[in-house]
Amino acid sequence: DGGITQSPKYLFRKEGQNVTLSCEQNLNHDAMYWYRQDPGQGLRLIYYSQIVNDFQKGDIAEGYSVSREKKESFPLTVTSAQKNPTAFYLCASSIWAEGNQPQHFGDGTRLSIL
Amino acid sequence: DAKTTQPPSMDCAEGRAANLPCNHSTISGNEYVYWYRQIHSQGPQYIIHGLKNNETNEMASLIITEDRKSSTLILPHATLRDTAVYYCIVRVYNQGGKLIFGQGTELSVKP
Repeated sequence: DGGITQSPKYLFRKEGQNVTLSCEQNLNHDAMYWYRQDPGQGLRLIYYSQIVNDFQKGDIAEGYSVSREKKESFPLTVTSAQKNPTAFYLCASSIWAEGNQPQHFGDGTRLSIL
Repeated sequence: DAKTTQPPSMDCAEGRAANLPCNHSTISGNEYVYWYRQIHSQGPQYIIHGLKNNETNEMASLIITEDRKSSTLILPHATLRDTAVYYCIVRVYNQGGKLIFGQGTELSVKP
């Protein structure tokens, strides 16, 4: 089946540790996105990529990094500089980054601090 | 960014139509209205979107008023599996067309 796969489903981070969240899509979509969701709140954009080898900061990029070396992959690294990383992380993709193309989401990764 | 207003919660009887309203009075002429839903601990699921005409797909219908200041999502025959938080979103054009999720409407479908 075509879709977006996020892994792992649950992740624990120790103090001072970087962790990487995986996002893979087989939909042949050009655009990919990372959002963060805190309890009882809406989604906030971390980073987005409109095409391979290009990405842009979203509203809350500090403490995060991404890469887009392949069309189907958009991993997110939560660095030790991110002081409040506990959240639900969602990856999305769309055919391209235009207003009339829906974004489709993965099932998320829940990150917690040990 | 255009803001949306939705009721915080609604109930619906199983098998009946669920009509979820949304106000977006500051929407611009070329901005689309999107509807997503989210079941606890899962990623948001795309339902439907539209610009000015009414839209229908296998999941739902979207009715947009002529002045585009409000819309209604209709689930024609609600089931227990439709219990979720429903988000009405006006899609912006900056930042790759990011989605701005508000508080949404928590729909409870009851037997």
